[in-house]
Amino acid sequence: KNEVEQSPQNLTAQEGEFITINCSYSVGISALHWLQQHPGGGIVSLFMLSSGKKKHGRLIATINIQEKHSSLHITASHPRDSAVYICAVRLLMGNQFYFGTGTSLTVIP
Amino acid sequence: DVKVTQSSRYLVKRTGEKVFLECVQDMDHENMFWYRQDPGLGLRLIYFSYDVKMKEKGDIPEGYSVSREKKERFSLILESASTNQTSMYLCASRIAGTGKQYFGPGTRLTVL
Repeated sequence: KNEVEQSPQNLTAQEGEFITINCSYSVGISALHWLQQHPGGGIVSLFMLSSGKKKHGRLIATINIQEKHSSLHITASHPRDSAVYICAVRLLMGNQFYFGTGTSLTVIP
Repeated sequence: DVKVTQSSRYLVKRTGEKVFLECVQDMDHENMFWYRQDPGLGLRLIYFSYDVKMKEKGDIPEGYSVSREKKERFSLILESASTNQTSMYLCASRIAGTGKQYFGPGTRLTVL
């Protein structure tokens, strides 16, 4: 059983669509991260959340600590948003992170 | 900007060879991590290092060792490479006590 579950695994959208990627976790956490990985491997940190909501440009991340759930939203999606989006949680105790298996997003022009 | 570099983007080795993967960060971060990433499994922690000469096993340390002789450099060693170690290897670093990790570009290792 994975400590971090993401859905969907794969997502194809038309340019301009509103996109939601979900992450659920089963452990106590101090923070949740959303990461973006483009083809070729490089990973970029998008958000770090411990409560509430954060917005950066067209990206919005929310977290509900009680429900152990987070969502990443992309408004007005664009082909350059095509990437794998990974949810990661930092455990409450220690330095360990657990990672979801990622959501592969393809945005078609 | 933090920069994390890895010695190779692509590497092909033969079974039984000793393999060194190097990771260097230029921001004086205390914590450094080695992960491997496989389809359907996500990132899994191999080893991490709190600081120079300090290391701790992650979830899948078997078949690997690490070395942290200098703060900026964290090496992953495959003593005798096997085909099941074919994977993407990612290094990351972080200021101790903070959450955000900075990732290197990854090394795609193929063991034949």
